[in-house]
Amino acid sequence: DTEVTQTPKHLVMGMTNKKSLKCEQHMGHRAMYWYKQKAKKPPELMFVYSYEKLSINESVPSRFSPECPNSSLLNLHLHALQPEDSALYLCASSQEGAGGGNQPQHFGDGTRLSIL
Amino acid sequence: QQQVKQSPQSLIVQKGGIPIINCAYENTAFDYFPWYQQFPGKGPALLIAIRPDVSEKKEGRFTISFNKSAKQFSLHIMDSQPGDSATYFCAASANYGGSQGNLIFGKGTKLSVKP
Repeated sequence: DTEVTQTPKHLVMGMTNKKSLKCEQHMGHRAMYWYKQKAKKPPELMFVYSYEKLSINESVPSRFSPECPNSSLLNLHLHALQPEDSALYLCASSQEGAGGGNQPQHFGDGTRLSIL
Repeated sequence: QQQVKQSPQSLIVQKGGIPIINCAYENTAFDYFPWYQQFPGKGPALLIAIRPDVSEKKEGRFTISFNKSAKQFSLHIMDSQPGDSATYFCAASANYGGSQGNLIFGKGTKLSVKP
């Protein structure tokens, strides 16, 4: 079992739907990340939150909207997605945010998203 | 310069063999090099990591060798088992700059260990 919990595990949605992915960690980590992973590819960084503030947005389309309600929670709001957005969405956390140096990132098991 | 090049793309070994996965980088600002193991349907799990002040690190059956002058690092799995069959990703990150702490992943190596 991972210490980063993601829900739901699977999500199927139409292109006009609005849904949200949720990530939770209770390790006291202050940096949280969203990644997108296509089949047989490495994870690609989407967003980084450091001390609950968005610090990095890797030119992600606006149909993906991140939110960090508190230091333990990270959401990814989805709206009007395209079929090519089907992928495994991974959340990760690390002990320090920006300025804290390199710290190990711990990943959840992801949400498998399918866009019809 | 931000790339991490990983080889081979796939690897098949017999049980008990020692698979070796290699990675190379160009950015001399990289100073943290983790390896992740990923099973189908699961997220990447941190396996072992090294910083450039040491040339080798062992954790159980997993060893990282690091060559700072050649800008290369590799993962060795001793006495490999069928349960080690997974995809392995090397990664690197820098300790300063706008992308501080962001992981740059290699493309991955799919390892199969035959019984």
